[in-house]
Amino acid sequence: EVQLVESGGDLVQPGRSLRLSCTVSGFTFDDYTMHWVRQAPGEALEWVSSISWNGYSTGYADSVKGRFTISRDNAKNSLYLQMNSLRAVDTALYYCAKDLGPFYDGIGYYLDSWGQGTLVSFSS
Amino acid sequence: EIVLTQSPATLSLSPGERATLSCRASQSVSNYVAWYQQKPGQAPRLLIYDASNRATGISARFSGSGSGTDFSLTISSLEPEDFAVYYCQQRSNWLTFGGGTKVEIK
Repeated sequence: EVQLVESGGDLVQPGRSLRLSCTVSGFTFDDYTMHWVRQAPGEALEWVSSISWNGYSTGYADSVKGRFTISRDNAKNSLYLQMNSLRAVDTALYYCAKDLGPFYDGIGYYLDSWGQGTLVSFSS
Repeated sequence: EIVLTQSPATLSLSPGERATLSCRASQSVSNYVAWYQQKPGQAPRLLIYDASNRATGISARFSGSGSGTDFSLTISSLEPEDFAVYYCQQRSNWLTFGGGTKVEIK
């Protein structure tokens, strides 16, 4: 069974940093592109970042470019999101998600398995 | 950035009725569109990819169509468990999601 478990969400102050983690099981992690997607309370889904199976290719939404860094450790079956210079607008539930197919299948960048999310919120 | 606009924002229908949801892209995305269903308190679930392919385990009452800039998701006969929020997503240029359509019970 595919499982994705996010952690690291917290109550933070604007300007601070936070590192989210996603630990996966049930599939060959290093065959899949992985993604972070967030959802502010009552709002739509927003793509945050993606990383290729080998970590060589990454992409970011304009809203987080230069502040967030995605990475992965294939030996640990783990995905990360380093978030710096956090802003109140970054308040959201952060999901990690895996690609529909392995990198050699050509049906990437559709998200077929998701974690339950980790919450990032702000204190004044 | 490719913008996806979904309409209507809310669709009020009764069980057994047909639902048609629309997603329009700000530029051509070929057929690189997916649809997701999200229920309160749950993560999204992939329904359709490449505009018209059903994901594994998805009921045949869900169908997708379209290419270029205009796409639609049709639910042929609404079941009680289908009342939810639906999002489209493109993968032509990284990823973006639409704003969602809520299908509610009339």
